[in-house]
Amino acid sequence: GAGVSQSPRYKVAKRGQDVALRCDPISGHVSLFWYQQALGQGPEFLTYFQNEAQLDKSGLPSDRFFAERPEGSVSTLKIQRTQQEDSAVYLCASSTPRDREYNEQFFGPGTRLTVL
Amino acid sequence: AQSVAQPEDQVNVAEGNPLTVKCTYSVSGNPYLFWYVQYPNRGLQFLLKYITGDNLVKGSYGFEAEFNKSQTSFHLKKPSALVSDSALYFCATRGGGYQKVTFGTGTKLQVIP
Repeated sequence: GAGVSQSPRYKVAKRGQDVALRCDPISGHVSLFWYQQALGQGPEFLTYFQNEAQLDKSGLPSDRFFAERPEGSVSTLKIQRTQQEDSAVYLCASSTPRDREYNEQFFGPGTRLTVL
Repeated sequence: AQSVAQPEDQVNVAEGNPLTVKCTYSVSGNPYLFWYVQYPNRGLQFLLKYITGDNLVKGSYGFEAEFNKSQTSFHLKKPSALVSDSALYFCATRGGGYQKVTFGTGTKLQVIP
């Protein structure tokens, strides 16, 4: 079956622009995660959804970052008024229908955001 | 708070030699530990995980990892390295009531032909 997909794969934005990044998780996966990976670093947690409910947004770096998953499947990460420090790869992951702490996550290819 | 540490930024090994990528952890409660691999311009791929039981965990592509509770380590190993194993490897933990995965800083593995 299809894995996690993300679009666009690459995004260049001018400082101050708004961007929207899309994630299509594996069908039937209840849990969805967003991570930010800066160059040369490990992924850092941003936010977590269980179905349409956003249960943890503790990793969002500022109120310019907003994520939604209105129907419990596709998710969008929106960044308003982008800044250069937002430049990173944004990874989406989903996990099995009965997600437990010992379950692995399935990652998409990421969206590389470059803010000029 | 959960954390993992990867003390080596880069590991170089000759093709055909055994490889080890190191990871130590600090978690409360049961440690759920993972290894992921990332190839250039691609997302992370799951390799293996430790939940409980046998301290030697076998995973994809011939990789295995040894869980050592006394040393709080979870080192990734492979008996014979391939050039195609060259990639970025991340140790990670998930647990303690948290849904998120906490990643290490990554170790770049370079297998030299």
